[in-house]
Amino acid sequence: AQTVTQSQPEMSVQEAETVTLSCTYDTSESNYYLFWYKQPPSRQMILVIRQEAYKQQNATENRFSVNFQKAAKSFSLKISDSQLGDTAMYFCAFTETNSGYALNFGKGTSLLVTP
Amino acid sequence: KAGVTQTPRYLIKTRGQQVTLSCSPISGHRSVSWYQQTPGQGLQFLFEYFSETQRNKGNFPGRFSGRQFSNSRSEMNVSTLELGDSALYLCASSLGRWSSYNEQFFGPGTRLTVL
Repeated sequence: AQTVTQSQPEMSVQEAETVTLSCTYDTSESNYYLFWYKQPPSRQMILVIRQEAYKQQNATENRFSVNFQKAAKSFSLKISDSQLGDTAMYFCAFTETNSGYALNFGKGTSLLVTP
Repeated sequence: KAGVTQTPRYLIKTRGQQVTLSCSPISGHRSVSWYQQTPGQGLQFLFEYFSETQRNKGNFPGRFSGRQFSNSRSEMNVSTLELGDSALYLCASSLGRWSSYNEQFFGPGTRLTVL
């Protein structure tokens, strides 16, 4: 069974600082997809960034970037210039053909951005 | 385009009752997936429907069922409710099962409370 581990249940960062959220996963497949989803308080989940496993280049979306280490099965999210609106639960998720593209989520990291 | 909509947003039921939740995907999306979110278990995949057929199922008892209509709208049903079924039920839609992006767009969820 695939597993996704987020080792940091809670994190805090000051506005304008940089924070990195960790995620590791386990799979025997070579082709899969990785995602970071953001779930703000009482608001719906939105996709932050995605990475295809066959792409070696790390994905970047504005202030959000990932460090994808395929051999280590690590997929961390870096948020630069943190903003108050970044306060949310962040979920790392993984999907592959064998799972029928079902998203397998980690337990989440609660990120608090403080003024 | 309108996003994924879910109705109702909140439900209170008692043990032993049954409940039906509804999800309308983004226009043009043909795949609908359901997830259960609880504080203890996190986000867990329930099932996925594509072209009115269940394509994938998570590890949930048979009390959990669903269906998809020809317009891609989906319903999930939980029979003989138990206290442990209290959760946020999220619906997600995507273009199709073979999309290389596999991006799933989430609805706001239905908060089910079982008393």
